[in-house]
Amino acid sequence: QQPVQSPQAVILREGEDAVINCSSSKALYSVHWYRQKHGEAPVFLMILLKGGEQKGHDKISASFNEKKQQSSLYLTASQLSYSGTYFCGTVEFYGGSQGNLIFGKGTKLSVKP
Amino acid sequence: DAMVIQNPRYQVTQFGKPVTLSCSQTLNHNVMYWYQQKSSQAPKLLFHYYDKDFNNEADTPDNFQSRRPNTSFCFLDIRSPGLGDAAMYLCATSREGDRVAGYTFGSGTRLTVV
Repeated sequence: QQPVQSPQAVILREGEDAVINCSSSKALYSVHWYRQKHGEAPVFLMILLKGGEQKGHDKISASFNEKKQQSSLYLTASQLSYSGTYFCGTVEFYGGSQGNLIFGKGTKLSVKP
Repeated sequence: DAMVIQNPRYQVTQFGKPVTLSCSQTLNHNVMYWYQQKSSQAPKLLFHYYDKDFNNEADTPDNFQSRRPNTSFCFLDIRSPGLGDAAMYLCATSREGDRVAGYTFGSGTRLTVV
């Protein structure tokens, strides 16, 4: 089942922060986050596996609330290079194991100078 | 560098003329996926191979077929492309049991149907 992402679009000035949310109605095995620039393939950012897990590198981090079946991506002190469409992808439990990655509709992030 | 390579990068085909897109990987991942991404939409899973086992998504049209002759290569065949099949086609790989890595995507093939 496709996860729900919000907001659909965000416009930031350089240095501002943003939060992108992802939620599912199904129990989740994992949550992935990808960034895709126009005309390019999605690039893997991070994966979250356990409830309450938080990860991050540089100024991009994410959290996963397993009970609420929600994940959030945090972008702090945004840079021009952060512009792109951010997709969350969820993997549900399937037959006791993991299913396949299903993407949300994406959040288009634009960072202006 | 280990990677996923898709050829061609751009493909133009005629309405109804069969077309094949290819994907190769040097990662030795046992799972390979094909996604279709239409303009401003999310990638949509068409099917995947778990080793040699083919798994079709329930809503993937019969017009789409796939072959995986060996671990490294996977092909997407569109038997009779329609205008609605114009999209970016993304190949991705993963390793079963790897809990820390995401999917690795190729650069995609942009298909135009004329």
